[in-house]
Amino acid sequence: RKEVEQDPGPFNVPEGATVAFNCTYSNSASQSFFWYRQDCRKEPKLLMSVYSSGNEDGRFTAQLNRASQYISLLIRDSKLSDSATYLCVVWDKAAGNKLTFGGGTRVLVKP
Amino acid sequence: GAGVSQTPSNKVTEKGKYVELRCDPISGHTALYWYRQSLGQGPEFLIYFQGTGAADDSGLPNDRFFAVRPEGSVSTLKIQRTERGDSAVYLCASSPGQGRDEQYFGPGTRLTVT
Repeated sequence: RKEVEQDPGPFNVPEGATVAFNCTYSNSASQSFFWYRQDCRKEPKLLMSVYSSGNEDGRFTAQLNRASQYISLLIRDSKLSDSATYLCVVWDKAAGNKLTFGGGTRVLVKP
Repeated sequence: GAGVSQTPSNKVTEKGKYVELRCDPISGHTALYWYRQSLGQGPEFLIYFQGTGAADDSGLPNDRFFAVRPEGSVSTLKIQRTERGDSAVYLCASSPGQGRDEQYFGPGTRLTVT
């Protein structure tokens, strides 16, 4: 089983709609969680950190469920520019400071 | 300010050859990471430097892979006797301190082994 698993998609989303997707992680000791965004043939960039209480950044909302070991990302009022691959990322200090990435969820926003 | 830079952006080499990939981190960042990303996959950790020393090299797939950071800034990833399976995008990232900090990625080096 992979340490971080994501539905690869693609999620085809009409412009203006809401899309949500999850990521599961296997290490219950994981301490920090992030969503990174990666555009085609570009490097990953931090989208947002995920806090236990859930957090929002504009149209993006991230949630963490430690009991079930998953995090989620919701995008409201989708824009064409939201088309990208969203990478779920987990950090565990005991594992040595590296980031562990999921395989990514591809989102395509269409007019 | 300048971000993380990597050279070359693309490298095509023949099976069995030696390659070096270079990473220039953001100035002042003490932590430097190498990842490898295959098509359709997320980045996979290779090695992490804190300063000049390799703090964690558990992700290096075998002894053909080696990385250095002699002065605590620029790093070079070296691959000996390249194989077709080494073809991937090699990403470098840096951060001000340790893992919990945001990691800033370079544009990557696309390595193709023919």
